Amino acid sequence: EAQVTQNPRYLITVTGKKLTVTCSQNMNHEYMSWYRQDPGLGLRQIYYSMNVEVTDKGDVPEGYKVSRKEKRNFPLILESPSPNQTSLYFCASSPDSLGPYNSPLHFGNGTRLTVT
Amino acid sequence: AQSVTQLDSHVSVSEGTPVLLRCNYSSSYSPSLFWYVQHPNKGLQLLLKYTSAATLVKGINGFEAEFKKSETSFHLTKPSAHMSDAAEYFCVVTSNSGYSTLTFGKGTMLLVSP
Repeated sequence: EAQVTQNPRYLITVTGKKLTVTCSQNMNHEYMSWYRQDPGLGLRQIYYSMNVEVTDKGDVPEGYKVSRKEKRNFPLILESPSPNQTSLYFCASSPDSLGPYNSPLHFGNGTRLTVT
Repeated sequence: AQSVTQLDSHVSVSEGTPVLLRCNYSSSYSPSLFWYVQHPNKGLQLLLKYTSAATLVKGINGFEAEFKKSETSFHLTKPSAHMSDAAEYFCVVTSNSGYSTLTFGKGTMLLVSP
């Protein structure tokens, strides 16, 4: 089944403890992206990648890192999480390397992160 | 630069009545526009998209949207609401400016009562 898989679904951690949220897609998509969703703010893009080894900042990149060493994987890294990073995170992919201009995004089911 | 405004944070309808979710956009370039739906505890799913072809776009589950350039609008409609339509809906704009980013609206929660 074609899908975007995020892990874990739920994560509770403490301030300053490094964590990684994994994202993997099995559709051979070129474009991958991370979003955070907060009540009343919709989704905001954190980082995106148009291809392997190519990543770029979205609207809210501060406090996050990403890497794209393989086409299928796009992990999101929080080196020193803070409470303002408590949010619902979505990974998404698209077949078009230019991103979602012509092709829709396929979303994972989300990771709910709580930082205390 | 681009932006999108969803004019209602919540819309309540009765089952069997029409649905109208309003969206206005701005874009410096030729836009592509999308509507996505998010059911509770799920990721977003594409409902429909406009990419400079027909201005009236039909999507899944009986939804459709009309692109009106003169009004910079892309409102989502459905003739008859079903209980399963209750969800949050996001209007999204992207452009061919060379940037691979989407701009999401803040969402409209659709409530459907029996």
